[in-house]
Amino acid sequence: QSVLTQPPSASGTPGQRVTISCSGSSSNIGSNTVNWYQQLPGTAPKLLIYSNNQRPSGVPDRFSGSKSGTSASLAISGLQSEDEADYYCAAWDDSLISVVFGGGTKLTVL
Amino acid sequence: QVQLQESGPGLVKPSQTLSLTCTVSGGSISSGSYYWTWIRQPAGKGLEWIGRIYTSGSTNYNPSLKGRVTISVDTSKNQFSLKLSSVTAADTAVYYCARDLGGIAAVGRVDYMDVWGKGTTVTVSS
Repeated sequence: QSVLTQPPSASGTPGQRVTISCSGSSSNIGSNTVNWYQQLPGTAPKLLIYSNNQRPSGVPDRFSGSKSGTSASLAISGLQSEDEADYYCAAWDDSLISVVFGGGTKLTVL
Repeated sequence: QVQLQESGPGLVKPSQTLSLTCTVSGGSISSGSYYWTWIRQPAGKGLEWIGRIYTSGSTNYNPSLKGRVTISVDTSKNQFSLKLSSVTAADTAVYYCARDLGGIAAVGRVDYMDVWGKGTTVTVSS
């Protein structure tokens, strides 16, 4: 059971906009910033969004992040086939004194 | 740019100690304010944070693994290491090392892993 809660799956057609939610508590998302990682099949995770809504260099602006209270969201607009991957949210947890991850969301591009 | 590479035995017997090393290239492990982190992922499952070490040597560990985990750093070799004792089949996973840009900002703690190794598979079996 993951500390952060994500839907196990999401899907969309090419060109669509998809959002993935991440729910936590006051000790993690409520107090600290949220990061998102993309894991393409058979590869290591890659930083996609940091500090709630910042994109590392090279990440397309189709990807955006937001946070409100104890929840966060990742939005992907103009969905492309290469976006098919697992997406994980993560944050520091002040009570556990550790980084906590969501269980991951498998995005399928139909 | 900085690159990370995990190394170590791919097979460990139950009850023994798993030992992995992460070699940092393209930069000094001592420079900057970074945490050096271990994460693992059982086959078909999600990511689990194991722990991290700061350049000063201070550590944080996942409470669920505490007591079995030790992370250390060897600045002379530009490496950091993971030891996980008393392993069972449940410790079978792909193990990743990563660099964590951790800090405190007005919006709270900022901890994100911006550089990852490719991962190494460790199987616990007799």
